[in-house]
Amino acid sequence: SQTIHQWPATLVQPVGSPLSLECTVEGTSNPNLYWYRQAAGRGLQLLFYSVGIGQISSEVPQNLSASRPQDRQFILSSKKLLLSDSGFYLCALKGGSNSPLHFGNGTRLTVT
Amino acid sequence: AQKVTQAQTEISVVEKEDVTLDCVYETRDTTYYLFWYKQPPSGELVFLIRRNSFDEQNEISGRYSWNFQKSTSSFNFTITASQVVDSAVYFCALSGVPNQGGKLIFGQGTELSVKP
Repeated sequence: SQTIHQWPATLVQPVGSPLSLECTVEGTSNPNLYWYRQAAGRGLQLLFYSVGIGQISSEVPQNLSASRPQDRQFILSSKKLLLSDSGFYLCALKGGSNSPLHFGNGTRLTVT
Repeated sequence: AQKVTQAQTEISVVEKEDVTLDCVYETRDTTYYLFWYKQPPSGELVFLIRRNSFDEQNEISGRYSWNFQKSTSSFNFTITASQVVDSAVYFCALSGVPNQGGKLIFGQGTELSVKP
């Protein structure tokens, strides 16, 4: 079965510090991978998606970037965090055209 | 533009009551997918159902049922005989066909509280 690993579960970082959130998946090959963010108002917004190694599409302009160095690894990064980067970050995968989107357990980021 | 509206921000019911969560969507696509996800207090998003725009049959899964009506652009979710474990935030979502459900447009969610 498909499994999504996200870490850390919670993170508190000061403004201006760098960020690296990692997502790794198991039980599937060549999945589409996604980073979503859930702000305090509860709505989820797609930030990035990747259809393969080195292929990243950005959905919204922002302070964050994403990379996919391996087929089953998706990384969300920032060089300098802003207060507005606080939120709940969810990695998701889609294993095939008929598969629904499955989400990881998320990382709760607080920028202070 | 695509949009999903969940007008009910919070709903509170007593256990064993039936409850319906409303979802209204907007899209110019003729083919699209609709979804419901559950987010319990632990935070993960749990997939509940996917429906494509050509399939308007209602679906029942245990205590859960879904009513899809293209004429009113609605995809409502009913929980029968609610239980405390149903307490969660429920999201309705929409996607176009090319991505087949990866790039989701989410509603703002409805927080359901089921009291014993």
